[in-house]
Amino acid sequence: AQSVTQLGSHVSVSEGALVLLRCNYSSSVPPYLFWYVQYPNQGLQLLLKYTSAATLVKGINGFEAEFKKSETSFHLTKPSAHMSDAAEYFCAVTQGWFGNEKLTFGTGTRLTIIP
Amino acid sequence: DTGVSQDPRHKITKRGQNVTFRCDPISEHNRLYWYRQTLGQGPEFLTYFQNEAQLEKSRLLSDRFSAERPKGSFSTLEIQRTEQGDSAMYLCASRSRHPAERLGPYNEQFFGPGTRLTVL
Repeated sequence: AQSVTQLGSHVSVSEGALVLLRCNYSSSVPPYLFWYVQYPNQGLQLLLKYTSAATLVKGINGFEAEFKKSETSFHLTKPSAHMSDAAEYFCAVTQGWFGNEKLTFGTGTRLTIIP
Repeated sequence: DTGVSQDPRHKITKRGQNVTFRCDPISEHNRLYWYRQTLGQGPEFLTYFQNEAQLEKSRLLSDRFSAERPKGSFSTLEIQRTEQGDSAMYLCASRSRHPAERLGPYNEQFFGPGTRLTVL
């Protein structure tokens, strides 16, 4: 079984401030973890992924995430928010090679950037 | 454009009608996935194909839903006797298996733009 919990359905930060979006996972086998971004009326774009290599993962657009097994967390951060970061962000987990291939998503966090 | 494409992008139908959506994956991807996303929620898995074989179906996929991938390339998702509760965004994704997947590397799913279904 696998699940993801995203704390905070809405997060607002000022332009230039730190972005922190929280994700905690549950998985019965070693997980593969992903962050996707969704702009209005569009599909999902991959920001970054953790697949059992380095625990600190760097992605596109200046985002990064750290896999912490002891905390079962995979929080997404960006040092300085831009207006273009305003979107919906989804954390997702899969068991991949160890189990099923489906992605299980969290309920999403809507990020608003305050000018 | 070499990404995942979906057709149509929008569909409005009356309750009780049948609808069919198409997904064209990235050409070299042998795995294809369907998800449903309702307003304010994350996508939920519906079904998945490896080549033409449908390997997993969610309990969300009631008997009114059927998906096919007849030649292992494009896929169709049909909903019969649509209900208002079927209104959602239907997302298709595809991926290829990394040759060293059992050692750790894992290729992600690439998503299409989705088909938004509205049932009146």
